Amino acid sequence: KAGVTQTPRYLIKTRGQQVTLSCSPISGHRSVSWYQQTPGQGLQFLFEYFSETQRNKGNFPGRFSGRQFSNSRSEMNVSTLELGDSALYLCASSRDRGPGYTFGSGTRLTVV
Amino acid sequence: KQEVTQIPAALSVPEGENLVLNCSFTDSAIYNLQWFRQDPGKGLTSLLLIQSSQREQTSGRLNASLDKSSGRSTLYIAASQPGDSATYLCAVGQGGSEKLVFGKGTKLTVNP
Repeated sequence: KAGVTQTPRYLIKTRGQQVTLSCSPISGHRSVSWYQQTPGQGLQFLFEYFSETQRNKGNFPGRFSGRQFSNSRSEMNVSTLELGDSALYLCASSRDRGPGYTFGSGTRLTVV
Repeated sequence: KQEVTQIPAALSVPEGENLVLNCSFTDSAIYNLQWFRQDPGKGLTSLLLIQSSQREQTSGRLNASLDKSSGRSTLYIAASQPGDSATYLCAVGQGGSEKLVFGKGTKLTVNP
């Protein structure tokens, strides 16, 4: 059984650029959540999608956006990158509430 | 607003010792609680999931308990091994939301 797949694993971008990260959930999982992990703030919730609809959103600026496709794959986009956006971005999938979440290995984004 | 605290922030023990990691949360209206393990630079590995109606879960040398009324969970690791060295994260699933609220983690080092 394939796990949650995140691509790419590593990214280096310049301030002001935009970036798109991808997440393929476990087959049959319809909920996909995104988290940002930094040494100072720990893990913070970005947003969650279920059946192509955003159900919840965290306290991040509008530069952070996401979407989910009909096959449950999800992308998140960060526009106008800032140095502070450097972080490990983690994606998690679940069938729905209750069963718990399975996380991917993450995308390490470095903004220079 | 839910807040999750993990104590201690770091713990170093000799191999073979039994140990307890603590997690506390401020809002008892939780859906579930999940313990994760994170190795340096990697994603999260789910260890145990406890539903709000349950008191404990066991997997191998790991046992997690949940006391909703006091807002506490503990992760017990029996006969620790150097391979258990990692950061352990506690996450609370909020009722009515897909958002997980994480503690900052406990960094465990098991010395041979």
